[in-house]
Amino acid sequence: AQKITQTQPGMFVQEKEAVTLDCTYDTSDPSYGLFWYKQPSSGEMIFLIYQGSYDQQNATEGRYSLNFQKARKSANLVISASQLGDSAMYFCAMREAFSGNTPLVFGKGTRLSVIA
Amino acid sequence: GAVVSQHPSWVICKSGTSVKIECRSLDFQATTMFWYRQFPKQSLMLMATSNEGSKATYEQGVEKDKFLINHASLTLSTLTVTSAHPEDSSFYICSAPNQDRGEAGELFFGEGSRLTVL
Repeated sequence: AQKITQTQPGMFVQEKEAVTLDCTYDTSDPSYGLFWYKQPSSGEMIFLIYQGSYDQQNATEGRYSLNFQKARKSANLVISASQLGDSAMYFCAMREAFSGNTPLVFGKGTRLSVIA
Repeated sequence: GAVVSQHPSWVICKSGTSVKIECRSLDFQATTMFWYRQFPKQSLMLMATSNEGSKATYEQGVEKDKFLINHASLTLSTLTVTSAHPEDSSFYICSAPNQDRGEAGELFFGEGSRLTVL
């Protein structure tokens, strides 16, 4: 079974508007971390935001916020005031059993296109 | 922030040759590094976990004799694609956790290496 599910292969958003990228996850581990990365066409992986499974509040980082609904096992990324430079692939990822030796498991990604 | 450097960024080679990709943690020690592979328009798939001073752990379906991983020091892990074939053409990217920095377990990624096998 997929651990990270991103159901939106592609999304379009008008410049200056907000957009939500969906992510659901599956784990039986009580301790885990959820991450969002941005990957522009250059290929580099840019860390955006993190949410720990025990965090009570939703994470925010500038224009990025994570809508964490633990009971639903969802961790949607909200980008406010979209900019043309936000056009990229966005990956939701999870680390289980939080330690130094567990890898990130990625979803299939969502390609976001910001329209002027 | 923590820096992970990967080299080369691009490599083109003939079928049957071997290619070595280096991944260095520049300002921290990494006892563990992760190697991912990304085919065009797909996600990052974990290939193997590289452990300093011991054998790498490979994911199911990844041939350990084809993808040789060496993690000889706390700052360097190498991936060697042996006898490369066109189907090995892909984007290879390494990553490492830094327990002392980053968002509680954030992985720091190298720039990636795009391999094209002719």
